[in-house]
Amino acid sequence: ETGVTQTPRHLVMGMTNKKSLKCEQHLGHNAMYWYKQSAKKPLELMFVYSLEERVENNSVPSRFSPECPNSSHLFLHLHTLQPEDSALYLCASSQASGNYNEQFFGPGTRLTVL
Amino acid sequence: AQSVAQPEDQVNVAEGNPLTVKCTYSVSGNPYLFWYVQYPNRGLQFLLKYITGDNLVKGSYGFEAEFNKSQTSFHLKKPSALVSDSALYFCAVRDASSSGSARQLTFGSGTQLTVLP
Repeated sequence: ETGVTQTPRHLVMGMTNKKSLKCEQHLGHNAMYWYKQSAKKPLELMFVYSLEERVENNSVPSRFSPECPNSSHLFLHLHTLQPEDSALYLCASSQASGNYNEQFFGPGTRLTVL
Repeated sequence: AQSVAQPEDQVNVAEGNPLTVKCTYSVSGNPYLFWYVQYPNRGLQFLLKYITGDNLVKGSYGFEAEFNKSQTSFHLKKPSALVSDSALYFCAVRDASSSGSARQLTFGSGTQLTVLP
């Protein structure tokens, strides 16, 4: 399989559940990203793993926890989410070196929090 | 700080007519500019980028974009729209002088393009 894959594609969870989103890239990249996409809002960068360094948006609540075990895999662990966390969660990857490498996106996980 | 604005939430155009999707940006240094497209139930797909050089950049599917430094704009264009071009379009910017954790793209809120048959 090529490109960036994400599982599951759809997820419905209650506020007390714990779940994880998975992303895998098959492009040989060494940087991976989590974005949150809400309707009519700019894409919100949540976390970046680049050359084993983690960069995070300080406005992201602690109920979102990323994990990057290697350069090809990225997880987003979810616990005690709120209904306003319902959104499309996109994973992306790129080469970390160089100044202007475009990012390649997965299809996203549509998350609904009840 | 860097920012990007897409002033139109929605653009409608008739098939065969030219289309323009607007984008303006703000960076402290020189910009790297990108356009992405998102089809329903899909992730974002790279269309084209401006790094340096010719102000007119050509990309995938017949799209092009014109970099205008004085107007801080990077509008996406296509001479003849197709119904299949209907999608959500995102502009993104990065300050060329940024480093470390600041070397991230900032995206606009997106413009929904609808091409009417």
